[in-house]
Amino acid sequence: SYVLTQPPSVSVAPGQTARITCGGNNIGSKSVHWYQQKPGQAPVLVVYDDSDRPSGIPERFSGSNSGYTATLTISRVEAGDEADYYCQVWDSSSDHRKFGGGTKLTVL
Amino acid sequence: QVQLVESGGGVVQPGRSLRLSCAASGFTFSSYGMHWVRQAPGKGLEWVALIWYDGKKKYYADSVKGRFTISRDNSKNTLFLQMNSLRIEDTAMYYCARDSPRGSYFDYWGQGILVTVSS
Repeated sequence: SYVLTQPPSVSVAPGQTARITCGGNNIGSKSVHWYQQKPGQAPVLVVYDDSDRPSGIPERFSGSNSGYTATLTISRVEAGDEADYYCQVWDSSSDHRKFGGGTKLTVL
Repeated sequence: QVQLVESGGGVVQPGRSLRLSCAASGFTFSSYGMHWVRQAPGKGLEWVALIWYDGKKKYYADSVKGRFTISRDNSKNTLFLQMNSLRIEDTAMYYCARDSPRGSYFDYWGQGILVTVSS
């Protein structure tokens, strides 16, 4: 079973850059997707296919994926970015979807 | 606009059954795969099940295989999750989510419905 590993928490000051990692075996060969979930709300897709943004998502959100680590980068962090972030991949061999354990982003 | 609205949640005793529904609107329901994803209180997201756009193939997480059944009615734009032999660990918020056009990620989510399994 494919395992995705995220740090439980990341903290950053407003205006700085937050980087949230997602580790997996040869994850660079897969497409990685990222979701933002604020308390009491459903998840929202913020990055898909490693680095693409859905319409309406600010350019401050970007992604990269290579080797054994995918990264969600949030530039010029704002208080409103405080949320849980989850990475996700598609296991094509089983057609199952896998989530990382989630990372809580705290804006100091 | 795409809307997904779940219903059918509630409190149920261990070993009993419950059926969730997800009413879809704002898109051609019969053209998209659909998923159920759940989130236990204070925990992360867990994928539960997938059904293809035409209902011909279904996939389940190991944690629910043999107990849960995903189905759909394309004539009524509705997705279902039949949950049997419920366990305390099935307590969670259940979300329905639309599969992306190329079938890799979830592009739209419902607001979720709470299922509590408790004696």
